[in-house]
Amino acid sequence: EPEVTQTPSHQVTQMGQEVILRCVPISNHLYFYWYRQILGQKVEFLVSFYNNEISEKSEIFDDQFSVERPDGSNFTLKIRSTKLEDSAMYFCASSRDYGYTFGSGTRLTVV
Amino acid sequence: DAKTTQPPSMDCAEGRAANLPCNHSTISGNEYVYWYRQIHSQGPQYIIHGLKNNETNEMASLIITEDRKSSTLILPHATLRDTAVYYCIVRVRDDKIIFGKGTRLHILP
Repeated sequence: EPEVTQTPSHQVTQMGQEVILRCVPISNHLYFYWYRQILGQKVEFLVSFYNNEISEKSEIFDDQFSVERPDGSNFTLKIRSTKLEDSAMYFCASSRDYGYTFGSGTRLTVV
Repeated sequence: DAKTTQPPSMDCAEGRAANLPCNHSTISGNEYVYWYRQIHSQGPQYIIHGLKNNETNEMASLIITEDRKSSTLILPHATLRDTAVYYCIVRVRDDKIIFGKGTRLHILP
């Protein structure tokens, strides 16, 4: 069964550093998403991406965040200057029509 | 801004059917009912969705009331691996998924 692959599975970074989280969506999917989940809290929508541009973003997705689909297969989330409160699980998802397929996530720890 | 109401937790004995309720009394005519689950901090997993007819797949059955104001997800023979948080989501087909708090289902041996 096709999978969404996320790397790395764990990332520890110093506050103020830039991080890039990587995702390989399912190859024939057209819509791409990033979500995050702070420990013990709900899964929160960050951004959706379609046709090489952001289609919607949440209030969380401020100027510190950016997304890119650099080569037609990878989908990346960049956090420019990490804060302690960015520590969370970050999930990538892709979809073609009705159902999303989520990756297994990247656990980001900012110290 | 929650469109659905679910009990915060439920227990079910292993091997029995797990019936998870969801209220969505303000659902619109073009909104689907989706169910996802999240097993211990893994990525959410799609289970099933429906518009107004009952649906069944290899994982579960979805029963939607005739007025569409509530639905029930049925896991026919629950196993320990079905222990998870189950999310009932109402959305227009191309809209983003917004997760609520869901129902934490405990399968008891």
